[in-house]
Amino acid sequence: DAGVTQSPTHLIKTRGQQVTLRCSPISGHKSVSWYQQVLGQGPQFIFQYYEKEERGRGNFPDRFSARQFPNYSSELNVNALLLGDSALYLCASSDGTESLYGYTFGSGTRLTVV
Amino acid sequence: AQTVTQSQPEMSVQEAETVTLSCTYDTSESDYYLFWYKQPPSRQMILVIRQEAYKQQNATENRFSVNFQKAAKSFSLKISDSQLGDAAMYFCAYRSDWGWGGSNYKLTFGKGTLLTVNP
Repeated sequence: DAGVTQSPTHLIKTRGQQVTLRCSPISGHKSVSWYQQVLGQGPQFIFQYYEKEERGRGNFPDRFSARQFPNYSSELNVNALLLGDSALYLCASSDGTESLYGYTFGSGTRLTVV
Repeated sequence: AQTVTQSQPEMSVQEAETVTLSCTYDTSESDYYLFWYKQPPSRQMILVIRQEAYKQQNATENRFSVNFQKAAKSFSLKISDSQLGDAAMYFCAYRSDWGWGGSNYKLTFGKGTLLTVNP
């Protein structure tokens, strides 16, 4: 079975540009969460989507937005990139049993802003 | 807001030995879940073990066990018979158990402990 897939795996952007990151959850999982992991830190919660609706948002500026599609895949968009947005962006999916089995994470997208 | 603290940035252990990673957390909630995740160089977060706050019995998964002290808000991970494949970043994480999901069900992570296993 395919796990959580994220694309691209790496990308480099210039300050001020916009970026879109993509995530495909495990088949049957309707919940997708996004986390930002800055080098040397633990992941920080950005968004959660369930059944195409935003269910939670972390302390991130409005430059960060996301959406979930009918097939439950998700995109994370970041506008007006800053150097501080350089991080590993992780996607996690769940079928609602995360309290029992945890979230299943993808391998992330490494974003470098120069 | 909940916080998770991992006070050991790095730890090392000899192969086949036992190592304990520390984690403390701060919360005013009575019901919650605690997790240990492992992040190898492949970057994917892998669940190692979980603990429900309402359970007094410490969780065990093969060579991995926890020492959960609810009153002290402590949740340490013990790895027995360490193997080379155990080398990774280990993150302690907290998840609330109230409300209607969304931000309430987010994971709050510590900063991680880098575990090195020496042959």
